[in-house]
Formats: sequence, C-alpha cells, structure tokens
Amino acid sequence: QQPVQSPQAVILREGEDAVINCSSSKALYSVHWYRQKHGEAPVFLMILLKGGEQKGHEKISASFNEKKQQSSLYLTASQLSYSGTYFCGTEYAGGTSYGKLTFGQGTILTVHP
Amino acid sequence: DVKVTQSSRYLVKRTGEKVFLECVQDMDHENMFWYRQDPGLGLRLIYFSYDVKMKEKGDIPEGYSVSREKKERFSLILESASTNQTSMYLCASSFMGWFISRQQNSTDTQYFGPGTRLTVL
Repeated sequence: QQPVQSPQAVILREGEDAVINCSSSKALYSVHWYRQKHGEAPVFLMILLKGGEQKGHEKISASFNEKKQQSSLYLTASQLSYSGTYFCGTEYAGGTSYGKLTFGQGTILTVHP
Repeated sequence: DVKVTQSSRYLVKRTGEKVFLECVQDMDHENMFWYRQDPGLGLRLIYFSYDVKMKEKGDIPEGYSVSREKKERFSLILESASTNQTSMYLCASSFMGWFISRQQNSTDTQYFGPGTRLTVL
C-alpha cells in the first residue's frame, strides 16, 4: 500500500515556507525524499533512517517520526528552483524488502516570483 | 557520478507488439528496479532484481516480464503491448544489498534513469 502524501499540491511565492507530509500505514525502516522536475528523472534529496532523525540540506530539511510512521519535508524561504514534484519513498521495516521503496503519489510544488 | 541510462527517451509501438526497454547502470549496483509513472499515481514498482538472474515482482507486474543476465543491465519486456501500458517508465539502481544494509543499520538511495515515454497505439 502506497504512503499518503499531503498536500497534493501547493503554490507559494518566493520566500514562503512549505511542509509536505508522508504517512504510512506500515512500520518504516527508512524514508527517502526525491524531487522531480518536469520531463526529468527524480533526484535524490535525503534519506532518514532512524526514528526521530532530522536532516537538512541548505533550506530543505526533513524529520522522521517512527512512532507515527510519518515523515515531513520542510522547505524554508522557497526559491523558484524548488518548483517540482516531491515524492517520498518508504522502505518498510521487517521482511526482505531488498531495498525496495514504495512511493507516495507526489506533491506538486509551484513557486512564483 | 552514478549514471543510469535507458535505451530510448520516446517510443511508439502498436498494440500486440513485443516491446523491450533496456536499462544500464555503470556503478556495479546490486539492485535494479523498473517503475511506471502515471499522473496522480506516483511511481509504482513493476519488478526489481537484487542479483543477476534474480527477480521479484513489484506491485504491478501483470503484463510485464524482466531479464537480468548481466549485473549492469536490466530489461523490461512487454510481451504483448496494450494501450493501458502507455506510460513513463523509469529505471533505477541502488548499491547496497538488503542483507548488508540491515546488518549495518544503513540503507542506500536509488538512482534514476531519464525515463522512457512509451505510447502504445
């Protein structure tokens, strides 16, 4: 079952902040975040492995709440280059997943000048 | 830099044709994956392979098969293409085998190819 991302779409002006959430119905081992621009391949942003882990990459950071089985991606002081579709990929705990990721449906982020 | 290449960016085929999509990675990665991407549905896993000649079904394997004869190459086969297989197909690879990742309490990202937009008429 796919993780659920919210919101489905968000429109910002440059400099505004946004939060994208990713919720799973199953226990998670890791959460991977990607951004995809139109017509291009998804590009890796960051991995969160341990419960409660937070990571940052310039003005983009993320958190992983293992108990709630969810992760959030934070984009602060957004730039035009942040526009694109954001996907979370979840790796489930237990079993033999062989590094398999199950992706959410994506969140379309549009940043206007 | 990791490079994942796919044989075609755009492909147009007719219903009933056999279609081969090829993916090659140059970083000696253990795992390779085939996804299809449709608007509003995100990326859905078709098949993946964790070693040469080893394969596992993903979430939507019906109508597809795969082949991995060499470590660097993973092929997706549509035995008899249908119009509902019109989609963007993305290949990905990742380095770390599952056993090692669990042993080291680690994981590895997936690197994606540019995608093949397949249209079946």
